[in-house]
Amino acid sequence: QVQLQQSGPGLMKPSQTLSLTCAISGDSVSSNIVIWNWIRQSPSRGLEWLGRTYYRSKWYSDSAVSVKSRVTVSPDTSKNQFSLQLNSVTPEDTAVYYCARSRIGWEAGLFDYWGQGTLVTVSP
Amino acid sequence: EILLTQSPGTLSLSPGERATLSCRASQNVARNHLAWYQQKPGQAPRLLIYAASSRATGIPDRFSGSGSATDFTLTISRLEPEDFAVYYCQGYDDSPPWTFGQGTKVEIK
Repeated sequence: QVQLQQSGPGLMKPSQTLSLTCAISGDSVSSNIVIWNWIRQSPSRGLEWLGRTYYRSKWYSDSAVSVKSRVTVSPDTSKNQFSLQLNSVTPEDTAVYYCARSRIGWEAGLFDYWGQGTLVTVSP
Repeated sequence: EILLTQSPGTLSLSPGERATLSCRASQNVARNHLAWYQQKPGQAPRLLIYAASSRATGIPDRFSGSGSATDFTLTISRLEPEDFAVYYCQGYDDSPPWTFGQGTKVEIK
């Protein structure tokens, strides 16, 4: 059974860098048939896909245009986990952040396992 | 990017009743790559239906999905107490970004 356990701070100030980690059990961050994603949810923006990382002989990452210049999604193979970094946060980045798994091919955007969620509040 | 519009915003029903939720896409959803998720308060979304009509592992058969192209429906045949939640549709064509509808809340009448 795949389990995703998130960790990271819940309260931040504007301009800081948000860092969240998703620890994986029951699967491997280096598997070449899965993709590791970050998604956030807020009342104003709903559910919003942020970015992903995956391994296909080498590591790939990409992200949503809305956050592209500020976001990094990266793996940590030594700890079997992956992380999200979001730079220069503003109150608009206040949301519940989720990590989630999807699979290669036509299921790349289908999220079958989710972390428990982390409420991140950005406030002066 | 596909825009997904769900209706109604809220559905007030009693246990045992049938729930019908709608999801309309701004353009054809390729290969009917449309999913439904259930979310309860304080929990992450849970995958219910994929490819418009296929139930995910462990999902009871009272949940069914139908539709094609731009119009999709999630039906819960007989509501159980644990089914009162918010439901989201999502399109998942080949490449990101993937978008979600704004959700339909199914509440106890």
